Amino acid sequence: ILNVEQSPQSLHVQEGDSTNFTCSFPSSNFYALHWYRWETAKSPEALFVMTLNGDEKKKGRISATLNTKEGYSYLYIKGSQPEDSATYLCAPDNTDKLIFGTGTRLQVFP
Amino acid sequence: KAGVTQTPRYLIKTRGQQVTLSCSPISGHRSVSWYQQTPGQGLQFLFEYFSETQRNKGNFPGRFSGRQFSNSRSEMNVSTLELGDSALYLCASSFSSFSGNTIYFGEGSWLTVV
Repeated sequence: ILNVEQSPQSLHVQEGDSTNFTCSFPSSNFYALHWYRWETAKSPEALFVMTLNGDEKKKGRISATLNTKEGYSYLYIKGSQPEDSATYLCAPDNTDKLIFGTGTRLQVFP
Repeated sequence: KAGVTQTPRYLIKTRGQQVTLSCSPISGHRSVSWYQQTPGQGLQFLFEYFSETQRNKGNFPGRFSGRQFSNSRSEMNVSTLELGDSALYLCASSFSSFSGNTIYFGEGSWLTVV
């Protein structure tokens, strides 16, 4: 069973602050790592799919890095805005299924 | 193009009944997977279908089943409903199998069992 841990569980920041979250996963049988943003009452939105050790991806103010050898990924948000408030989920892809962490819930206050 | 569509969005069922949820994937996507989200739990993988074949299954009892049609639309069925089956059921589609493909989710079907 793949154990995926995300930290912190929740985070409250002020608008303009930069923040980061961690996703830890077993490094064996790794194929890819997915990051999602899930806003209340909406469907989870795909942010990144990362496959290679050392991968870095960026989408606007959000970026992510991947270390497959040690089994972790970081998600960074630069200059957080209230619209960034959501739950951020990571999911390693292991043998054709995604195993989701319980997520980091981010609240950005104006 | 249209996203992943799930129906119904909300439904209430009684214990012991059965329910069928439907999912229409993004056009051209052949892989459909299903997830369950209950309060306090992360998204739990139910099963994945590709070209009408179930390729992977999560740790759920046999009351949970699914199928995929030739047009890639999928249904999942839960028989003999229990109170603990109350959850958000999400469907997701991708072009092919996982392993690096972006997976797109629908808005889900909220099931309440009373």
